Order: sequence, then C-alpha cells, then structure tokens
Amino acid sequence: AQTVTQSQPEMSVQEAETVTLSCTYDTSESDYYLFWYKQPPSRQMILVIRQEAYKQQNATENRFSVNFQKAAKSFSLKISDSQLGDAAMYFCAYRSLNYGGSQGNLIFGKGTKLSVKP
Amino acid sequence: DGGITQSPKYLFRKEGQNVTLSCEQNLNHDAMYWYRQDPGQGLRLIYYSQIVNDFQKGDIAEGYSVSREKKESFPLTVTSAQKNPTAFYLCASSQGAFGYTFGSGTRLTVV
Repeated sequence: AQTVTQSQPEMSVQEAETVTLSCTYDTSESDYYLFWYKQPPSRQMILVIRQEAYKQQNATENRFSVNFQKAAKSFSLKISDSQLGDAAMYFCAYRSLNYGGSQGNLIFGKGTKLSVKP
Repeated sequence: DGGITQSPKYLFRKEGQNVTLSCEQNLNHDAMYWYRQDPGQGLRLIYYSQIVNDFQKGDIAEGYSVSREKKESFPLTVTSAQKNPTAFYLCASSQGAFGYTFGSGTRLTVV
C-alpha cells in the first residue's frame, strides 16, 4: 500500500522569503499523481499544485513550485516570496493512476503547519 | 458556480444521539468521499462512493453510515456507536484521476 510522509510537523518562514516543505512517498507504481493542498485557518482545503509522475518537468503555479524526484520518491513544495496569507496547514497527497476502486483514493500525509512571520 | 456545500457548519450532538451531516455537489462528479480530521492525524477516510447506490468503507467506518441515492448527495450519519465523534468532517468529490474538490467542512461536537 502507498504511504505519504511529511517529516516536518511545523515550519516557519519570514515574510518575503522562500520556504520548502518536504514530502516523501512509497509506491511500487510507475504512474501516479501527486498533490499539495493548503488548509488555511478557515479549514477549506485548497488545491495548490498537481504533478503527473510521467511528466519530468516540475509543476509551477505562480509562487508555488515543486521539486519532483521520482527515483527518490520525493515531492517537495517551494513557496517563494512568502506572504502572510500562506500561513496554513499543507498536505501532500498521492493518487494512483488506476483511479477505479480503492486504489484511486487520495492518500494524505499528516501535514506541515506553516507559520509566516511579518 | 459549481462546488460542494456542507451543512451545517457547526453541529452539536448529545450522548446517544444520531446526527446527519449533509454534503451536496453540483459538479456532476461521480465519486464522493467523507474524511475525518483530528489534530495531528491528518485526514482519515470514513466512506467513499464511486457511483450512485454504491459505497465502500474507508479506514475508520465504524460508527458511521452513508447513503448515495442521488449523484449530487452523500450524507453522513454519525451514530451513537461512534464513541468519539468530536472532530472536523470534510466531504469531497472527484471526477476521473484529478484531485478532489472539498467542501468547507462541518465541526461536530459532543455535548
């Protein structure tokens, strides 16, 4: 069974600086999707970025980018020019490409709480 | 705009009482999910449904029940058999192999 591990329960960054959140996963599959979700204090889960494993190019969404290392099974999230609104819980998630049946369910890490200091 | 609506936002349950959390989506998504979130635990899957009139247990289904009579609706009942129901509950939906769309959640508290 696949697992997702976020080894940093809490992180802190100064406003306008860059921070990287770590995520590793375990799978025997070759094709899958990886996601980063943000959960601000409102507790609404918001999709930040998505990466298809068959794409070598790292996904980017404005100030958010990932470093996807398939061989190392690593999927870190880099937030550039951090803003106060970036303060939230961040969850890494894995989804099998075979999305039928239980294999297709999202598997979440336990999250990293990011604080942004003004 | 399409989305997922969860209601109520806050819910209080007395000991021994069953309560139902509502989840409605207008995204025309086939699959729907219920997650429970506790501090430090991340999201844990309670039930999921990939098609109308069919649903499957997730990792922590004991003390919960669901129905999926309509594509748009996936209500979750927290029964009296659930001994520690105080938590934040999130509903989600998906279509195909993309990520989930989440509702805004329901905070359930036992009083």
